[in-house]
Amino acid sequence: SQQGEEDPQALSIQEGENATMNCSYKTSINNLQWYRQNSGRGLVHLILIRSNEREKHSGRLRVTLDTSKKSSSLLITASRAADTASYFCATDAGGSGDKLTFGTGTRLAVRP
Amino acid sequence: KAGVTQTPRYLIKTRGQQVTLSCSPISGHRSVSWYQQTPGQGLQFLFEYFSETQRNKGNFPGRFSGRQFSNSRSEMNVSTLELGDSALYLCASSLASGREKLFFGSGTQLSVL
Repeated sequence: SQQGEEDPQALSIQEGENATMNCSYKTSINNLQWYRQNSGRGLVHLILIRSNEREKHSGRLRVTLDTSKKSSSLLITASRAADTASYFCATDAGGSGDKLTFGTGTRLAVRP
Repeated sequence: KAGVTQTPRYLIKTRGQQVTLSCSPISGHRSVSWYQQTPGQGLQFLFEYFSETQRNKGNFPGRFSGRQFSNSRSEMNVSTLELGDSALYLCASSLASGREKLFFGSGTQLSVL
């Protein structure tokens, strides 16, 4: 079963614009992570935010976490064609064992 | 440092056959997790191994099994293949836990005909 639901399912923007993706989850978490996946390949870790953090930055990425609303957002600023990929949130729901539960993903297309 | 290596990259089997997929984690990583990815179900957790012990198992039938060797390399096996087993099978390694930052391989694309 999916812990996370991502919104929107698909997003198409122009190069240089910002892209925002949202993730909602159901149970309390220890941490939330974001991953990127290029078509048919493995996932690449982008950023991890812990439950006691509210915001984290990494290069052009900004992640926020609102545990009261059980939601997170990923912002990619000044997008590039190379950012075209699927983006997944993944949660570590404490007590569920040594595993991550992945969301449904957002397909991002950046037009040159 | 070499990344996570999965072999083979592509595999075509017929219903009823069995298949074994291999995963070599990053050197020094002791936790190996397996995920199944399909367009309909997304990424589903299969199992996680640490020091040759299965610590966690997802909601899959007993036809799906795995193991981990003393060098942390892992294999997963699917017996009596069904059409619905067609998927991208992803292996990921981490230092000590399947809940921390995961490093994924490129996956094995399994097609069952």
